Amino acid sequence: DGGITQSPKYLFRKEGQNVTLSCEQNLNHDAMYWYRQDPGQGLRLIYYSQIVNDFQKGDIAEGYSVSREKKESFPLTVTSAQKNPTAFYLCASSEDYGVGAETQYFGPGTRLLVL
Amino acid sequence: SQQGEEDPQALSIQEGENATMNCSYKTSINNLQWYRQNSGRGLVHLILIRSNEREKHSGRLRVTLDTSKKSSSLLITASRAADTASYFCATDSTGANSKLTFGKGITLSVRP
Repeated sequence: DGGITQSPKYLFRKEGQNVTLSCEQNLNHDAMYWYRQDPGQGLRLIYYSQIVNDFQKGDIAEGYSVSREKKESFPLTVTSAQKNPTAFYLCASSEDYGVGAETQYFGPGTRLLVL
Repeated sequence: SQQGEEDPQALSIQEGENATMNCSYKTSINNLQWYRQNSGRGLVHLILIRSNEREKHSGRLRVTLDTSKKSSSLLITASRAADTASYFCATDSTGANSKLTFGKGITLSVRP
């Protein structure tokens, strides 16, 4: 089956700890994205990557880091600098990041909770 | 500020009725998309309408786009209980490095 997988489904973070959320896609998409969703809110863009070995900050990148070493993988690290990390994190991918945003395909999400 | 804003924030209808949801945006766009999210799940793409299109259909869905008013509407006809979900509009904007900006969403409840 083609799609996007995220793991884990739930993640607990202790104060001062860095945690990494996994996102893998087998759709052969060039572009990948990380969003944060708070209750009753829309999605806010954290980081995006248009191509392997390249990524850009989104609207709320502070306290987060990413890497894009492989086309199919785009892990997100929530660092200890992110003071309010409790949220639902969604990863997405799209075929191309050209002029005009294309359809994005989403993973099932990871819910991050702070202990 | 949010590029896309949906209206109403919440909508409750009876099964079989039509549901109309609206989205307004501020700047020129290349395209506008509608997504659906079931509780606690990822988003699912419903339909994409480009700035040079005025109306698009997909099954029970009808989307309109009025670029002069910077607004779009999503109509779900003959609603079903399974249509209960949150619906988001997402817009890009013309210019370099276009990216999607999502609204806060509309919560649709369809009563059996």
